[in-house]
Amino acid sequence: NAGVTQTPKFQVLKTGQSMTLQCAQDMNHEYMSWYRQDPGMGLRLIHYSVGAGITDQGEVPNGYNVSRSTTEDFPLRLLSAAPSQTSVYFCASKRDSNYGYTFGSGTRLTVV
Amino acid sequence: QQQVKQSPQSLIVQKGGIPIINCAYENTAFDYFPWYQQFPGKGPALLIAIRPDVSEKKEGRFTISFNKSAKQFSLHIMDSQPGDSATYFCAASITGNQFYFGTGTSLTVIP
Repeated sequence: NAGVTQTPKFQVLKTGQSMTLQCAQDMNHEYMSWYRQDPGMGLRLIHYSVGAGITDQGEVPNGYNVSRSTTEDFPLRLLSAAPSQTSVYFCASKRDSNYGYTFGSGTRLTVV
Repeated sequence: QQQVKQSPQSLIVQKGGIPIINCAYENTAFDYFPWYQQFPGKGPALLIAIRPDVSEKKEGRFTISFNKSAKQFSLHIMDSQPGDSATYFCAASITGNQFYFGTGTSLTVIP
């Protein structure tokens, strides 16, 4: 039982490049979310999904896209990377609305 | 605009002490209040959570106190140990969808 798996763990991008952060969970959880963590700002919600085919925006969605074609996977796409997107990104999942999230180990992204 | 305000930013206690971390919110629609523990290089891990229909919840050495009228909740760590040294985040959510996190408290427990 791997839980929530994020890849890659580290990434350096040049400004303007695009990339996809991968997230997969093997717990059959309906809810999945992406957060970014920045010093002094806690975790901020980027996008979330309450089931396959359903996604919605969080607090800071600009510059990011998501899709949820399967229950297991919830990739996060950076369309045109900017230095302001330098952060640690966490994917999380939970069974339903009555539970807290289980987080992955994070992806540390640097945009130069 | 920070939906959940957390204090203090950092905290140092002696082993065996009882660190207390406080959070406050404004939105009375919040109905789920979890606390997360995060070690360096790791993702946050759910520690304990409470709903607004109870005033206190204990799990092991961790206790949440909840004051609905004051819109505040706090985490108490009894008999703190050096292994409890971590960053702690409070959070709040409405119907379990969007979670709003505090800015975190870095706890150091001195042996």
